[in-house]
Amino acid sequence: EVQLVESGGGLVQPGGSLRLSCAASGFSFSSYWMAWVRQAPGKGLEWVATMSHDGSLTYYVDSVEGRFTISRDNAKNSLSLQMISLSVDDTAVYYCVREDHSTYIYWGQGTLVTVFS
Amino acid sequence: EIVLTQSPATLSASPGDRVTLSCRASQSVSTRLAWYQQKPGQAPRLLISGASTRATGIPARFSGSGSGTEFTLTISSLQSEDFAIYYCQQYKNWPPVYTFGQGTKLEIK
Repeated sequence: EVQLVESGGGLVQPGGSLRLSCAASGFSFSSYWMAWVRQAPGKGLEWVATMSHDGSLTYYVDSVEGRFTISRDNAKNSLSLQMISLSVDDTAVYYCVREDHSTYIYWGQGTLVTVFS
Repeated sequence: EIVLTQSPATLSASPGDRVTLSCRASQSVSTRLAWYQQKPGQAPRLLISGASTRATGIPARFSGSGSGTEFTLTISSLQSEDFAIYYCQQYKNWPPVYTFGQGTKLEIK
């Protein structure tokens, strides 16, 4: 069974940093592109970042470029999102997702990041 | 950036109704469009990919159609568990900036 379990969310002040992690199991992690998708409270879905299966390619939504870094450790079946210079606009539930032909079949349960002043 | 516009924002319907949700793209995405369902407190669930292919385990009452810039998701006979928010997503872009629509809330009349 495919499982994606996020951790690392919490409360942080504007300008602060946070690192999210996603533990993957039940599939060959190193074979799949992975992504982060977020959802602000009461709002819609927003793709945040994507990393290729081998970590050689990364892509970001413009609003996080230069502040967020997606990374992976294929030996540990884990995906991470390092977030710096956080603003209130980054408040959201962050989902770890597996890309299957560019769509998202498997999602984690999400981890809430709250940036408060 | 490809912008997806969903309509209506909210749709009120009754169990047993046939409903159609729309998604319009600002430029052609061919058939590289997916639909997701999200219930409160849950992660989204993929319903349709390739504009019309149901994902594994999705009931036949869900169907998708369209190509280019105009897409629809039809639920042939609403069940109580179908009341949720529905999002479309395009995945035509390269680099992979995969945008979502703003969602349509399907509520019980």
